[in-house]
Amino acid sequence: EVQLAESGGGLVQPGGSLRLSCAASGFTFTSSWMHWVRQAPGKGLEWLSRISVDGDRTSYADSVKGRFTVSRDNAKSTLYLQMNSLKAEDTAMYYCGREMVTDTLIDYWGQGTLVTVSA
Amino acid sequence: AIQMTQSPSSLSASLGDRVTMTCRASHDIRDDLGWYQHKPGKAPKLLIYSASTLQSGVPSRFSGSGSGTNFTLTISSLRPEDFATYFCLQDNTYPYTFGQGTKLEIK
Repeated sequence: EVQLAESGGGLVQPGGSLRLSCAASGFTFTSSWMHWVRQAPGKGLEWLSRISVDGDRTSYADSVKGRFTVSRDNAKSTLYLQMNSLKAEDTAMYYCGREMVTDTLIDYWGQGTLVTVSA
Repeated sequence: AIQMTQSPSSLSASLGDRVTMTCRASHDIRDDLGWYQHKPGKAPKLLIYSASTLQSGVPSRFSGSGSGTNFTLTISSLRPEDFATYFCLQDNTYPYTFGQGTKLEIK
């Protein structure tokens, strides 16, 4: 069974940093492109980032480019999102997602980890 | 960025009803669209990919149609477990973008 479990969320002050993790199991992590998506309270979903199977290709939404960095450790089957220079508007539930093998759509998601940016 | 306009934002229906919701893309996205079901505190679940292909394990009462800019998700006969929020996602062009969601509630 495919499972994705996010962790690392919490309360952080504006300007601070946080690193989210996404532990993957139940599939061949080294064969899957991965994504980060977030949903701010009362708002719609926002795609943030995508990373290739070996981590050498990444893409970002303009809203986080230069502040967030996606990476992966294939030996640990873990995806990361390093978030720097956090702003109040980064407050959201953060989800990781696995990309389909036969499509570029996300097929499996985690349950999310909540990040709150507040003084 | 491609804008995805989803409607309605909420929908009230009864068990056994047929319901339809739509997503409209601001540009042609071919059939690069998925539909998801999301329940509070749970991971979103993929229902339909490539606009009309049923994901493995998803009941056949769910169906998707459309291409280009207009897409539809239909649930043919509502069951209790179907009351949730549904959203679309386009993966044709970066950045991927989502519809705002349709909250399906029991009448």
